[in-house]
Parts: sequence; structure tokens; C-alpha cells
Amino acid sequence: GIQVEQSPPDLILQEGANSTLRCNFSDSVNNLQWFHQNPWGQLINLFYIPSGTKQNGRLSATTVATERYSLLYISSSQTTDSGVYFCAVDRYNFNKFYFGSGTKLNVKP
Amino acid sequence: DTGVSQNPRHKITKRGQNVTFRCDPISEHNRLYWYRQTLGQGPEFLTYFQNEAQLEKSRLLSDRFSAERPKGSFSTLEIQRTEQGDSAMYLCASSESGWVNREPVANEKLFFGSGTQLSVL
Repeated sequence: GIQVEQSPPDLILQEGANSTLRCNFSDSVNNLQWFHQNPWGQLINLFYIPSGTKQNGRLSATTVATERYSLLYISSSQTTDSGVYFCAVDRYNFNKFYFGSGTKLNVKP
Repeated sequence: DTGVSQNPRHKITKRGQNVTFRCDPISEHNRLYWYRQTLGQGPEFLTYFQNEAQLEKSRLLSDRFSAERPKGSFSTLEIQRTEQGDSAMYLCASSESGWVNREPVANEKLFFGSGTQLSVL
């Protein structure tokens, strides 16, 4: 399978701060998605981003497929951003994903 | 569109009992997936369906596990003779898909249900 490493494993921010989460993967992929798992366990799809850059409000993501990494940027963080952020990759675009262990984010008021 | 629905939300069972979970995907999605998540880890792929056809099963899915999607709509995941190691969150997800050069490919985003938390005592 594909190895997916996420960093940092834990992150504590003050409300309003910015952060960058990183995802490295061990093989070429055709599909990469970022998910947020809220404190109640629900996984929310943030981005479908096999390559390039996308933005959605305060969140943006960049994937450099040739160098096998992706970055998730969170600007002006809010307490509702707390939870675990997962990067997931799929070699053949079947949505059969390999997930990283996640970055646990705690945004304090 | 009510999202992906899973039932029950929680299940507590004794070791050796059989359990069955149900998943109703987003209505227009023909691709359905089962994942398993243990505490502190990311989800792990178990199996997926294209309509009613089960296209792939992970080696994590032992013979005690069986999944069905009889009419290409809802799906069930059954675990027979449960073991304490089966305790986990079982997640269902769905997506649209199409065909490119006779190969099935998933179209963009994967949507997850809220999961069924299984505890085997």
C-alpha cells in the first residue's frame, strides 16, 4: 500500500492564528482528498485535490503531485475548526483510500 | 439530499454474537464503500461496490465479514462470531463514478456517514 505521513500530529492554536498541515505520500496518486473529522466523529470532505491549488473560504490546499506532498492552509482559525484533519490518497482514482494518522487541531478561544 | 445514513449509531454486543449494520448512500451515488476506524487512527478501506457488484475486498475483511448491496441501493455489513478486536467505528461512504476506457473511476469527492460504533464485550 501507499504510506501517508501527516505532520504535525498535534497542533494547538489561539483563535485567529494561521496554520499549515502537511501530507507526504510514498507513491504516485491520482486522487487526494482532505477531510475534517469533527469532535462528534463525522468526516467532512474539504477538498478533492489531486494536483494544483484550491481555496474554499478560510481554507486552501495545494498538492504537488510530482514531489508527493500536499498542504492544507487554515487562516484566521476558529474554535469550530477543532478536530482531526486527514489526508487520504488513492492510486487509481477508485476512492479506495489510504489515510494518514491525521493532525489533531485544538483551537482555543 | 440527506447525506449518507448509517444505522445503528451504536452497537454493543457480546463476543461470539452476530451483528449487522446498514448504510443508505446518497441517492444518486452508484459507488458505496465500507471503512473501519480505530481510536487514534485514520479509516482503513474494507470493501466497495459499484452498483450491486462488490468490486474489491481488503485483506482486513476476514471470512467472518460479509457485505451486500442487493439492489444497488442500501448496503449491509455483517460480522459473524464477533471478537473483541472487531470493536471499532464502521464507516460507510458513497460517491458518483463513471467509466473511462472501460475502467471504473470515482468522480471526485467521497462522502461519509456518521458511522456505527461497535463495542464487543
